[in-house]
Amino acid sequence: GAVVSQHPSWVICKSGTSVKIECRSLDFQATTMFWYRQFPKQSLMLMATSNEGSKATYEQGVEKDKFLINHASLTLSTLTVTSAHPEDSSFYICSARAGEGTGELFFGEGSRLTVL
Amino acid sequence: GQQVMQIPQYQHVQEGEDFTTYCNSSTTLSNIQWYKQRPGGHPVFLIQLVKSGEVKKQKRLTFQFGEAKKNSSLHITATQTTDVGTYFCAKRGKLIFGQGTELSVKP
Repeated sequence: GAVVSQHPSWVICKSGTSVKIECRSLDFQATTMFWYRQFPKQSLMLMATSNEGSKATYEQGVEKDKFLINHASLTLSTLTVTSAHPEDSSFYICSARAGEGTGELFFGEGSRLTVL
Repeated sequence: GQQVMQIPQYQHVQEGEDFTTYCNSSTTLSNIQWYKQRPGGHPVFLIQLVKSGEVKKQKRLTFQFGEAKKNSSLHITATQTTDVGTYFCAKRGKLIFGQGTELSVKP
């Protein structure tokens, strides 16, 4: 199947700093990527839809100035957590759809963010 | 918005026992997808159901889509320790996930 790579897998940062997470589709082009957040023992919560060449679409309750999304190319989307605080600590996962087909989403490995 | 509710939240079984998780929606779904997430891992696509009353099988896994397209189920026959993980149903589109059912299997 298609491969989505996410980097970094783990990141620890100090409160107040910004962290960038990259999501790459390695063997296909993705005009749309999705960013999710997952707390321990909970489901995936959709944060935003990243659209290549245009602004991301954020879900209700997600601060777009806090979670900056850039989808500069057909294979790369980035999520920047700005001025991170301990409550931003979470597991962030990106996904992309390789063509319409079954609509199957391919997920990155996830990035575990810990803000001290 | 359109939500999918999933039960049970947790299920602990003895290896060899069967397991079922249910997904319900208050509105008609155009389709439903199932994903599995191993502990510490990321979700992996299992299957998509589209047709009313559809039943699909993957080895020991049986997936059903209700006649009214408002519910779906995943049944695992004779669970194995490799089945451990959280199973999510999801509505295609922006892919809104159910709460998931965490399966643990005691050898």
